[in-house]
Amino acid sequence: SQKIEQNSEALNIQEGKTATLTCNYTNYSPAYLQWYRQDPGRGPVFLLLIRENEKEKRKERLKVTFDTTLKQSLFHITASQPADSATYLCALDEGDYKLSFGAGTTVTVRA
Amino acid sequence: NAGVTQTPKFRVLKTGQSMTLLCAQDMNHEYMYWYRQDPGMGLRLIHYSVGEGTTAKGEVPDGYNVSRLKKQNFLLGLESAAPSQTSVYFCASSPPLGNEQFFGPGTRLTVL
Repeated sequence: SQKIEQNSEALNIQEGKTATLTCNYTNYSPAYLQWYRQDPGRGPVFLLLIRENEKEKRKERLKVTFDTTLKQSLFHITASQPADSATYLCALDEGDYKLSFGAGTTVTVRA
Repeated sequence: NAGVTQTPKFRVLKTGQSMTLLCAQDMNHEYMYWYRQDPGMGLRLIHYSVGEGTTAKGEVPDGYNVSRLKKQNFLLGLESAAPSQTSVYFCASSPPLGNEQFFGPGTRLTVL
């Protein structure tokens, strides 16, 4: 399975700023990559999926990029709000509808 | 729709005891998964199922067994619990040809 590294365990930012999270993987490039949000004491919730032939995907204030040359995905939260505070997980396709998850990055947005 | 539900929410076991965690989904999804989540390690796949009556091993299957007798239910069993199985367990499901997974609220298990 893939080795997945998400940058720093925690990210603290000021409200209104852009948060940028990194997901790096080491082996083969997956067919797709997903990002999930997890709040304390809750299960992960799906946010975005980006396929290997897509460079960028957007959903409201969220943007995901996928660079198969760098073996990296970037996840951006623009105009961040305190309600965006959560842990964000990246997940890579392992085939047969299985995913490998990173350990997550906890984002705290200060008002 | 209730989505994915898990029973129980919390459980404390003594070493050597057995228990079964129940996962139910009402979305008619084909695929179901059991994960464990430990601090700093992310979600690790224990077992999964691609349809009723089928199961397969994931990344960390030792010490666990599963059954998928009905499409909507996926059971995770611990035959002889060990302290190393203290964790938060999540069940998830996904539709055929779909990629996103829908997660339950989790079960927090402590083995003393």
